[in-house]
Amino acid sequence: SAVISQKPSRDICQRGTSLTIQCQVDSQVTMMFWYRQQPGQSLTLIATANQGSEATYESGFVIDKFPISRPNLTFSTLTVSNMSPEDSSIYLCSVDPLVGTDTQYFGPGTRLTVL
Amino acid sequence: GESVGLHLPTLSVQEGDNSIINCAYSNSASDYFIWYKQESGKGPQFIIDIRSNMDKRQGQRVTVLLNKTVKHLSLQIAATQPGDSAVYFCAETPGGGTSYGKLTFGQGTILTVHP
Repeated sequence: SAVISQKPSRDICQRGTSLTIQCQVDSQVTMMFWYRQQPGQSLTLIATANQGSEATYESGFVIDKFPISRPNLTFSTLTVSNMSPEDSSIYLCSVDPLVGTDTQYFGPGTRLTVL
Repeated sequence: GESVGLHLPTLSVQEGDNSIINCAYSNSASDYFIWYKQESGKGPQFIIDIRSNMDKRQGQRVTVLLNKTVKHLSLQIAATQPGDSAVYFCAETPGGGTSYGKLTFGQGTILTVHP
């Protein structure tokens, strides 16, 4: 499996501001994904971060709210824009290091609290 | 839409007992299933997976059973230890093509192991 790190590990932000979360992998991977885990709930896929092209968003998530960058095969960022308290969640990146296996491995997550 | 759900949200066992965590899925096209363990403050950790062409797979102290007829998945943990205390999620995907990487997670089961 790949070693995945995220920055920051947690943050407390004010309403209306934006936060960019970084995801770094220790090896090149084809697929990177971003998930949201609301308090006490399960994980929901936000988008697939595509290297060299625009991210693919799931229903209910839009680029203006969650812009994603994927400049290379080891790094991605997720920005949570114009935050509200409803955005308070854990944001997780995952990777599929073995092309074609569907197996995803997760980073430690970024715990975001919006006041 | 399609969903994956769990029968029991909480499970308490004594150390040394065997634990069984259940998961129901509704997407008959699901081809690949994963169990994750999430400890407090951490990202989900891969435990074991199974493809739809199998009905049983064993790992170290863990066994996953798949019953495609009734769309049911279970995780069995042998000789449960206090370190097994965590939230357990099942996840599924049809796999391949446009569904590649689109994991759908169940709601999670909290496993508490008492010494």
